[in-house]
Amino acid sequence: DTGVSQNPRHKITKRGQNVTFRCDPISEHNRLYWYRQTLGQGPEFLTYFQNEAQLEKSRLLSDRFSAERPKGSFSTLEIQRTEQGDSAMYLCASSLRPNTEAFFGQGTRLTVV
Amino acid sequence: AQTVTQSQPEMSVQEAETVTLSCTYDTSENNYYLFWYKQPPSRQMILVIRQEAYKQQNATENRFSVNFQKAAKSFSLKISDSQLGDTAMYFCAFMGVYSGGGADGLTFGKGTHLIIQP
Repeated sequence: DTGVSQNPRHKITKRGQNVTFRCDPISEHNRLYWYRQTLGQGPEFLTYFQNEAQLEKSRLLSDRFSAERPKGSFSTLEIQRTEQGDSAMYLCASSLRPNTEAFFGQGTRLTVV
Repeated sequence: AQTVTQSQPEMSVQEAETVTLSCTYDTSENNYYLFWYKQPPSRQMILVIRQEAYKQQNATENRFSVNFQKAAKSFSLKISDSQLGDTAMYFCAFMGVYSGGGADGLTFGKGTHLIIQP
C-alpha cells in the first residue's frame, strides 16, 4: 500500500455536468476526509467518514455536493450540476484514528468550463 | 468555530539559514492539536510536525521545531539549516478534540510560500 490514491488526477467538465471523484485511503485507516483547495488558499474541510458512517456533512458547500463510503473502504465525492466556481483541487485524506496523522492524496484537479 | 491565521504570504531565505513561519489561531476549545503541513509543488500535503495542546513541551522533528504559546494562541514553525528541498507552501492547521475523544477535520490557514534560495 503506497498511500492515499485519488482518481482521476485531472478532470475537465462542462458547466452543468455531474462529476464523481474517487479516493482509496490507506488500508486499515478508519477515518477518511474530503477537502477542497482553491488557488492561493488552504484546504477547506468538507466532510468525513468513520468507517462507512458520514459523521459531518454540514460543511459540504451546497446540496449539489455529496459523498459516500459504502463499505468503509474507498469513498466517492460527487458534484452535480457543476458550476465554474467549483473549479478547485479536491483532496482526500485518511487517518488511523481521529487524532492521528492524516495522510493526503495528490488530489483531483477539477476545471469547469 | 476556529480560525487559523498565517500573516506571511511569502518568505525567502538563503540556504542554510534559519527561518520562522508564524501562525496564530482562535478557538474556544481547550483540547486540540496543531499541525504544520508542507505542500511541495507536486501538491501532496505532508505532515511536518504536530503539537498536542495539553503538552507544554514544544515539539521537535530534526530541523523542524515549534514555539507553542497556548495563552497567546500562537504556533510558529522554525526551520533550521534550511535546504533547497524545503521550498514549498507551509500550512498551519488546527484540529479540535471532543470530550469523547473524537475529532473533526482540520482547519487550515492560507499558507506561507517559503522559498529557499541557493
